[in-house]
Amino acid sequence: RKEVEQDPGPFNVPEGATVAFNCTYSNSASQSFFWYRQDCRKEPKLLMSVYSSGNEDGRFTAQLNRASQYISLLIRDSKLSDSATYLCVVSGAGRRALTFGSGTRLQVQP
Amino acid sequence: DGGITQSPKYLFRKEGQNVTLSCEQNLNHDAMYWYRQDPGQGLRLIYYSQIVNDFQKGDIAEGYSVSREKKESFPLTVTSAQKNPTAFYLCASSRLQRDGSDTQYFGPGTRLTVL
Repeated sequence: RKEVEQDPGPFNVPEGATVAFNCTYSNSASQSFFWYRQDCRKEPKLLMSVYSSGNEDGRFTAQLNRASQYISLLIRDSKLSDSATYLCVVSGAGRRALTFGSGTRLQVQP
Repeated sequence: DGGITQSPKYLFRKEGQNVTLSCEQNLNHDAMYWYRQDPGQGLRLIYYSQIVNDFQKGDIAEGYSVSREKKESFPLTVTSAQKNPTAFYLCASSRLQRDGSDTQYFGPGTRLTVL
């Protein structure tokens, strides 16, 4: 079983749609959680950290469920510029480096 | 201009050659990391360093070597022992937080192709 699992997609949605991505992680001792965005052939860029109480940044909402070891990302009012691969990322459990999911690809269509 | 730089952007290597990928940061970050990404896959950790003159193996260290002689520099050498070195190599850095909530920032990457 992979340490961090994501649905690879692609998710094809029209502009203005709401889309949700899910992610599960296997190590219950994991401490920090993030969503990164990666554009084609570019480096990953931090989208947002994920906190236990849930957090929102504009059109983006992240949720964490430690009991189920589940992380989610909700994007409201999708824009064409949201088209990218979204990486679920987990750190901690005795190591400072990050463990990445394989990513979920989003394609927002006009 | 603060950030992480990697060079070269593209690198071609013949089989049997060692090559060194550069990574420099001027963010005064304590920790630096090397990851490898293959098409359609997530990033996998090669090596990381939390302090000068110290580094740790990641999940796929075989065939790679690193050094951390200066805080701002963390070069990666891909040796001829690495069986399948063609990949996208990403360097990252972070400031170490007491609660482990380090946020990593990435350089633009180096695409290595073995001919």
